[in-house]
Amino acid sequence: QMTQSPSSLSASVGDRVTITCRSSQIIATYLNWYQQKPGKAPRLLIYSASSLHTGVPSRFSGSGSGTDFTLTISSLQPEDFATYYCQQSYSTSLTFGGGTKVDI
Amino acid sequence: EEQLVESGGGLVQPGGSLRLSCAASGFTLSGYSMNWVRQAPGKGLEWVSYITTSSSTIYYANSVKGRFTISRDNAKNSVYLQMNSLSAEDTAVYFCARDNRLMLDVWGEGTTVTVSS
Repeated sequence: QMTQSPSSLSASVGDRVTITCRSSQIIATYLNWYQQKPGKAPRLLIYSASSLHTGVPSRFSGSGSGTDFTLTISSLQPEDFATYYCQQSYSTSLTFGGGTKVDI
Repeated sequence: EEQLVESGGGLVQPGGSLRLSCAASGFTLSGYSMNWVRQAPGKGLEWVSYITTSSSTIYYANSVKGRFTISRDNAKNSVYLQMNSLSAEDTAVYFCARDNRLMLDVWGEGTTVTVSS
């Protein structure tokens, strides 16, 4: 089971934003982060806990291993207002966190 | 451009069936395992099913096991999800997603399934 916190947050352009994800079991670095905007498909941001996917701005970063992980947006931009999900790929049944909605 | 396009969604009565399709373009589907992921209205993402390149390994979420069947036709560059015994709890947008070394790196835009009488 993947638990994200907070479930929602309000922030301003330029803010530093941190989202946490906790796994109920040790998953090494088998952790990915996705961004989803309303009515759109999810978009891969970070894989293997800390690797930036192709084309993703460098203001996004990920860290953690074992059971505790974070996604950080160093300086929030208008296009970053969205919902963010973590997802473990350690077990054969992929599981997602409940999501964190980032709004103004 | 690497792309996935889902189709086959619609309105179905409880107990009914639907078959979803996912067509790939811009890459060779046979080189990748594939997943189906769904999202109920206003809810988060839920993984549904997984299939390897040769269909030798298949997994399902407990919520759909015994009712849904994933398959693929590499010659047609397509993946399918046969859904039987549908209930209101299956109402969702269904996405197919490419599995690239344990990350879902290409997603379709989704197809909507509504189960209602």
